[in-house]
Amino acid sequence: SAVISQKPSRDICQRGTSLTIQCQVDSQVTMMFWYRQQPGQSLTLIATANQGSEATYESGFVIDKFPISRPNLTFSTLTVSNMSPEDSSIYLCSVRANTEAFFGQGTRLTVV
Amino acid sequence: AQRVTQPEKLLSVFKGAPVELKCNYSYSGSPELFWYVQYSRQRLQLLLRHISRESIKGFTADLNKGETSFHLKKPFAQEEDSAMYYCALSPSGTSYGKLTFGQGTILTVHP
Repeated sequence: SAVISQKPSRDICQRGTSLTIQCQVDSQVTMMFWYRQQPGQSLTLIATANQGSEATYESGFVIDKFPISRPNLTFSTLTVSNMSPEDSSIYLCSVRANTEAFFGQGTRLTVV
Repeated sequence: AQRVTQPEKLLSVFKGAPVELKCNYSYSGSPELFWYVQYSRQRLQLLLRHISRESIKGFTADLNKGETSFHLKKPFAQEEDSAMYYCALSPSGTSYGKLTFGQGTILTVHP
C-alpha cells in the first residue's frame, strides 16, 4: 500500500496568483498522477509526473498553467498558475502501487 | 480514447434492498476496470477490481466484455454503504496507471 500526504488541504486564493500543492508518499514510486475534480464533475487526469523527466500532460492541460516538479521518487508538486475562478476545484495526487491506485486527501482550492 | 459512463448520478434504496450501480465503458483494448468509493470525509479508496474477481463488503462486479459493462451489485444494502462510487478504467500498455473515471454515483441507503 501507499500513504499519501497532500498539502495544503484547502486554500482560498486571489485570482491572478499561483498556488503550489505538495504531495508526499511514504514509499518510492515510479509514477505519480495529478487529477482535478471540478465542482459536480468527475476526476480528470491532469498529468503524469515521472522522476527525472518532464511531466506528461493530458489533452487540455499545459505546462505553463500547471507546472509540475518531481525531484525524487517520493515527492511531487503541482502549481496552479495565474488562477481564475474556473480553477476552483479539488486537486488530487495519486500513485499506483501494484495494481491499486492510492489517493491523497485532496486540496480544495477556491479562487476569488 | 477511453470513456466510462455511469448513467445514474443519484441512487436511493432502502436498507436490505438489492442495489446495482451501472457502469459502461468504451476502450479498444483490454482494460482493467475498478470500482472506487469515497465515504463522507474520507479519501477515495479502491473497492474492488475486475481481475481479482473478489467480493468486498458484499459487493461484486462482473466484467461483461460483450456489453462493455462492469456493474456493481450488492444483494442487501446497508446504511454504511452510503457513499460516492466511481467506476474507473485503466488502459493496458504504456498508459498503465492512468485512470479514466466515470461521473460517479451517489448511493444513499435509507434505514
